[in-house]
Amino acid sequence: GQQLNQSPQSMFIQEGEDVSMNCTSSSIFNTWLWYKQDPGEGPVLLIALYKAGELTSNGRLTAQFGITRKDSFLNISASIPSDVGIYFCAGRGSSNTGKLIFGQGTTLQVKP
Amino acid sequence: GAVVSQHPSRVICKSGTSVKIECRSLDFQATTMFWYRQFPKQSLMLMATSNEGSKATYEQGVEKDKFLINHASLTLSTLTVTSAHPEDSSFYICSAEGPRWGGELFFGEGSRLTVL
Repeated sequence: GQQLNQSPQSMFIQEGEDVSMNCTSSSIFNTWLWYKQDPGEGPVLLIALYKAGELTSNGRLTAQFGITRKDSFLNISASIPSDVGIYFCAGRGSSNTGKLIFGQGTTLQVKP
Repeated sequence: GAVVSQHPSRVICKSGTSVKIECRSLDFQATTMFWYRQFPKQSLMLMATSNEGSKATYEQGVEKDKFLINHASLTLSTLTVTSAHPEDSSFYICSAEGPRWGGELFFGEGSRLTVL
């Protein structure tokens, strides 16, 4: 079956630093989504990507859909304390059954 | 737009009782909703796909008689954990597919179930 590998598993950075995380798939995806989850809450959609090569920004966040359609990255610029949380990538494959496959998550901690 | 609401956010119940969790799409119609389970510090595990007006599709290893799903309308899906036991304690999250087919999933706030 399709699998997603997300890295790094965790990051501990200084406020103001930039952050980068990525996901790779064993097969081609048609949709890449990036979510943030705060403790005790559901994931919140940050960025959605639908085309290979697509680069999309949402404030300080930028994500790209890899050309090979097997990877995606999320960058956060000038991190702030409220960026703390778990970031998940998710992808939907070519079968388009509607099911999303989730990465393992990247836990981000920001030191003021 | 695309708001999904879950209720209750927290529930504590005794072993052997049943618990119902509701998932509503507030400002759009959702023919398909998804139920996930999340263990501490882990990713989301898909339990089942809920289709309006038809039976839910369960993922391998998920007991359909334990986790009853009903999707009676385009804005409401319910998950009932029957005869709950402590090992059913978890964070349950629902999601609904937005208006764009094949696009984003929007998640509810999650429901923390604790079975004593």
